[in-house]
Amino acid sequence: EVQLLESGGGLLQPGGSLRLSCVASGFRFSDDPMSWVRQAPGKGLEWVSAIGGRDANTHYADSVKGRFTISRDNSKNTLYLQINNLRVEDTALYYCARNQYSTTWYFASWGHGTLVTVSS
Amino acid sequence: SYVLTQPPSVSVAPGKTATIPCGGNNIGGKTVHWYQQKPGQAPVLVTYYESIESDRPSGIPERFSGSNSGNTATLTISRVEAGDEADYHCQVWDSNSDHVFGGGTKLTVL
Repeated sequence: EVQLLESGGGLLQPGGSLRLSCVASGFRFSDDPMSWVRQAPGKGLEWVSAIGGRDANTHYADSVKGRFTISRDNSKNTLYLQINNLRVEDTALYYCARNQYSTTWYFASWGHGTLVTVSS
Repeated sequence: SYVLTQPPSVSVAPGKTATIPCGGNNIGGKTVHWYQQKPGQAPVLVTYYESIESDRPSGIPERFSGSNSGNTATLTISRVEAGDEADYHCQVWDSNSDHVFGGGTKLTVL
């Protein structure tokens, strides 16, 4: 069974930094691209960033380029998201998701999310 | 950037068929995936495209199906049950925009 367990969220002030983690199990982690998707309170889903499996190529939404850094440690089956210069609009539930490919990429499995709240 | 448009809400009586639209420019030329999100829970993939056909992950009932043509993709839920009440999100992958989600549609079972 695929499991994704996020951690690292909390209440932070604008301008602060934090690192989110996602520990994966139940599949060959190093083979699959992974993503972070966030959901602001009462809003829809917003893709934030993705990273390749073995090649570790990274992609970012325009809204977070330059402030967010995605990375992975395949030896620890762990995905990370470093968030710098936090803004109030970064307040959201952050989901870790496993990407799979059929005709195009989709999000096959999701964690339960970790909540990031940015407020002064 | 590519934009997907969904109505905020759709209502349906139990046992009837629900259709949830997802609009996008020439979306019929793209592959659309759908997710169900119940209150307080993470999204769950309910349909994805394999080759040219809509398919479902294991455990998702055959009542859920996707279709796509022109400027509208549609999630169809047949014989709707109370347990289908949830938010539904469409998603595409676009070479210019990467992953794009619609705003989500709340399905209410009357």
